[in-house]
Amino acid sequence: QKEVEQNSGPLSVPEGAIASLNCTYSDRGSQSFFWYRQYSGKSPELIMFIYSNGDKEDGRFTAQLNKASQYVSLLIRDSQPSDSATYLCAVTPYGNNRLAFGKGNQVVVIP
Amino acid sequence: EPEVTQTPSHQVTQMGQEVILRCVPISNHLYFYWYRQILGQKVEFLVSFYNNEISEKSEIFDDQFSVERPDGSNFTLKIRSTKLEDSAMYFCASSTGGEETQYFGPGTRLLVL
Repeated sequence: QKEVEQNSGPLSVPEGAIASLNCTYSDRGSQSFFWYRQYSGKSPELIMFIYSNGDKEDGRFTAQLNKASQYVSLLIRDSQPSDSATYLCAVTPYGNNRLAFGKGNQVVVIP
Repeated sequence: EPEVTQTPSHQVTQMGQEVILRCVPISNHLYFYWYRQILGQKVEFLVSFYNNEISEKSEIFDDQFSVERPDGSNFTLKIRSTKLEDSAMYFCASSTGGEETQYFGPGTRLLVL
């Protein structure tokens, strides 16, 4: 079982629409959850972090965490062409300080 | 805004050669990390470093790899004898705490011929 799974394929959304991304993780003891954005050929850039169950909003981004179901999601409201990137879900497994990354979801915002 | 820096941005080397990748973490951070990303694949953890010693390492981080903090600002990754499969983007990251947000540098693209 993969530590972090992001299974959906490329997501195309019209400009102004909501993009929804999901991620599941295998280690039930994981404490810290992150969403990074990665443009092609660039390094991961932090979008949001979340530690507690529920929703956390930051501007156009909302992260949702459900520890019982072991999933994390990211909503991007009012999607802009500049949001076109690969979104990486990352988790800190219990007792570790490393990040375990999913393979990422590519988002394409169509003007 | 403080940021992690890495040098060089690109490095081309011959198989079997040694390479040293350099990083300057954010100044008040205490935890330092190296990750790599092979083209088209996910970001993979290599090693974490805290209090002048390795705190965790992955299976990838074998005897060919070593890390060092030679002074108060630099953090280096050495690959002793590079292989073709070491070709990847190498990212340095740093954080204030073990489970805190990790901030990534721009990466070094390593190509082994």
